[in-house]
Amino acid sequence: GAGVSQSPRYKVAKRGQDVALRCDPISGHVSLFWYQQALGQGPEFLTYFQNEAQLDKSGLPSDRFFAERPEGSVSTLKIQRTQQEDSAVYLCASSLRRWTSGRDGELFFGEGSRLTVL
Amino acid sequence: DAKTTQPNSMESNEEEPVHLPCNHSTISGTDYIHWYRQLPSQGPEYVIHGLTSNVNNRMASLAIAEDRKSSTLILHRATLRDAAVYYCILRDVPDYKLSFGAGTTVTVRA
Repeated sequence: GAGVSQSPRYKVAKRGQDVALRCDPISGHVSLFWYQQALGQGPEFLTYFQNEAQLDKSGLPSDRFFAERPEGSVSTLKIQRTQQEDSAVYLCASSLRRWTSGRDGELFFGEGSRLTVL
Repeated sequence: DAKTTQPNSMESNEEEPVHLPCNHSTISGTDYIHWYRQLPSQGPEYVIHGLTSNVNNRMASLAIAEDRKSSTLILHRATLRDAAVYYCILRDVPDYKLSFGAGTTVTVRA
């Protein structure tokens, strides 16, 4: 499809398990973001990639969270030793250009991966 | 982090205009005003953004106060599909993140 694709759409993990969430951005998009959205709240920024470079990871909540985009296209968000507070929808977004100008405003979001940690 | 204030909820009738207010009294000269909306069970969707001048696109209009301390998103003719949470966001370039806040839940009555 032409949009941002995320998989899996739903993931149930037992506490302590590792999970990996995949994002396929729109082809050719330079910028890629990960956001976390808890139930009933707005999305919270996790990290930003410009091509393969991770330029901002200030929103990652702990060192259990790790993101990569090795070839500047597909990205994976990995959560190690999941805990109940990690339960949320994880949203991926992409943008055509480098996210360096205020004129850049349009992010394209995927439908998200809903993670439930039991 | 959220630097904007929006009403929690608003109701509108189908085919009538909707005016969504947003206060951002601490806005800086380099902050852009962004609006996104999120339909149930979907990711956020870009609506519009601007800096100083009013902006129009196929989805909506953005009216920015002269002192930039407030703005209004205008949906010219609400449809049932416009029922969503609308987020008003300030982006301080060169920050990469958008701070979404709680947004305004818009309900459209048929």
